[in-house]
Amino acid sequence: GNSVTQMEGPVTLSEEAFLTINCTYTATGYPSLFWYVQYPGEGLQLLLKATKADDKGSNKGFEATYRKETTSFHLEKGSVQVSDSAVYFCALRNNNNDMRFGAGTRLTVKP
Amino acid sequence: GAVVSQHPSWVICKSGTSVKIECRSLDFQATTMFWYRQFPKQSLMLMATSNEGSKATYEQGVEKDKFLINHASLTLSTLTVTSAHPEDSSFYICSARDIAGDEQFFGPGTRLTVL
Repeated sequence: GNSVTQMEGPVTLSEEAFLTINCTYTATGYPSLFWYVQYPGEGLQLLLKATKADDKGSNKGFEATYRKETTSFHLEKGSVQVSDSAVYFCALRNNNNDMRFGAGTRLTVKP
Repeated sequence: GAVVSQHPSWVICKSGTSVKIECRSLDFQATTMFWYRQFPKQSLMLMATSNEGSKATYEQGVEKDKFLINHASLTLSTLTVTSAHPEDSSFYICSARDIAGDEQFFGPGTRLTVL
């Protein structure tokens, strides 16, 4: 079945450090891939998405590229801020519109 | 973007009582709504999918008689946890997909604590 595996956290970085959160997936067909962010006390918010191979999603300085050959969708940001502290979820949506989420990675950015 | 609200945001109840959680799409019509459960430091687990005007489809292992879902209108779905027990304590999150069907919008979640 479809599944998502993402890097276990927690991840702690200093402000302006480079961020990578790994995400790999298993799916049949051609899923769409997503990164969601959950700030403390809030619901999930869509951060970025990619719907086909080689697409790059980007938003708020975050980027992720849909790599079919490695079945990956790693999240990156060149310079994190304290306000980026949150839990990040990688997710896929298959052709049946079912979504599957990774376990989440908690990021803490220290000033 | 589209907004999904949940009410209440948190609830504490005694074991054996029933609790109803509402999920509303505030500025769009949602033909499909989803209910998830999130355990501490874990991912979201899909419990059920509800389509307006029809019975919900439950994921394997989710008791449909315990978690009653009603999706009576295009803007409201409710989840009722019947005869709640401490092991039902969790964070319940709903999401709604608009008629165009391209994206899911998530509610802020409801934290249920059963004493």
